[in-house]
Amino acid sequence: DAMVIQNPRYQVTQFGKPVTLSCSQTLNHNVMYWYQQKSSQAPKLLFHYYDKDFNNEADTPDNFQSRRPNTSFCFLDIRSPGLGDAAMYLCATITGTPSSHNEQFFGPGTRLTVL
Amino acid sequence: RKEVEQDPGPFNVPEGATVAFNCTYSNSASQSFFWYRQDCRKEPKLLMSVYSSGNEDGRFTAQLNRASQYISLLIRDSKLSDSATYLCVVNRADSSYKLIFGSGTRLLVRP
Repeated sequence: DAMVIQNPRYQVTQFGKPVTLSCSQTLNHNVMYWYQQKSSQAPKLLFHYYDKDFNNEADTPDNFQSRRPNTSFCFLDIRSPGLGDAAMYLCATITGTPSSHNEQFFGPGTRLTVL
Repeated sequence: RKEVEQDPGPFNVPEGATVAFNCTYSNSASQSFFWYRQDCRKEPKLLMSVYSSGNEDGRFTAQLNRASQYISLLIRDSKLSDSATYLCVVNRADSSYKLIFGSGTRLLVRP
């Protein structure tokens, strides 16, 4: 059974055309993350939500925004995609209880192509 | 210096071989350590956590050396299905639930 679901799996957009990626989780976890991963690179954390509290990474461009309307859903909005934003976008969740060995559960990712 | 560093490989080994990967981390205050596996064009999945005393899960053994700030993963009796990228992951010192991923070490197991 899928626990972290991402839609769409593949997204093609045009340079400058806004795009929204979605993530849902059936785990009822408090924390949800968005990562960007480019080829042969490490996943890079963009931001995360702890419940409704939004936490932006200092180096995440303003072009990237996020919404979490409820526990289950989280959206990544790219306001004006550039060619450099082509990447795999990974959503992940983790139980929010502070613990030193929390596993992060990843969705299958959305591969974004910018034309 | 990167916060988590790994040899990108690829490590090309025959089936049945034993292979070891190392990873170094820069922040001595890190408390949580993991190995994740990522198949080509798929999401990362937890392979195993790494505990101070070292831990083993079947053919996989993970070790932590806090003094030297490195983590290792040993795979015995390699299978073709072990071919993947192995990501070394460390928690950030400012948050127990924010992780820093290494770029990964690619393993190719050949028949």
